Amino acid sequence: EADIYQTPRYLVIGTGKKITLECSQTMGHDKMYWYQQDPGMELHLIHYSYGVNSTEKGDLSSESTVSRIRTEHFPLTLESARPSHTSQYLCASSDPGEKLFFGSGTQLSVL
Amino acid sequence: GESVGLHLPTLSVQEGDNSIINCAYSNSASDYFIWYKQESGKGPQFIIDIRSNMDKRQGQRVTVLLNKTVKHLSLQIAATQPGDSAVYFCAERYNFNKFYFGSGTKLNVKP
Repeated sequence: EADIYQTPRYLVIGTGKKITLECSQTMGHDKMYWYQQDPGMELHLIHYSYGVNSTEKGDLSSESTVSRIRTEHFPLTLESARPSHTSQYLCASSDPGEKLFFGSGTQLSVL
Repeated sequence: GESVGLHLPTLSVQEGDNSIINCAYSNSASDYFIWYKQESGKGPQFIIDIRSNMDKRQGQRVTVLLNKTVKHLSLQIAATQPGDSAVYFCAERYNFNKFYFGSGTKLNVKP
């Protein structure tokens, strides 16, 4: 199983705050992804990266941004959080065989 | 984009029985499929995968069947255990190596 880490696990913040959700993997995977998931619902791809300096928007529109300066690191940033951003955010990376490995997720609550 | 759908949102089985979780996919171009298990508060965990050039693949206590004619995927769990209780997602891959997830089936295992 891939080692992929997300911090924080839980985050409760007020409206208007800037936040960054961290994601790191130690497997050297080139491809990394961010998914958004509401309780009991499917995962929606919001960002992905195929390598350093490569970032693309996913199929679900998101006001967040991502960066990929190092292979192992793929942080997601919200410049001004709103209650509608309340959700679980899951980071994943894929191995050469294309299997997706997920982190434990960050549960974000915006008040 | 096109979506992956699941026939049964909730499945209850007796401990020791076999479980079958179904998934319908709509994109005939999908070339790779994965089943994930997600426990409460955790990220999805890889269970088993199958490529479109196969129709069956077996793992430890799990079997995935792929019927491309009717675009149907199923996950069979043998001798279901309480630890199998979770939400199960299928995911299909198409469109430049992006994965699309269904809404999940919750499996309840009764002791």
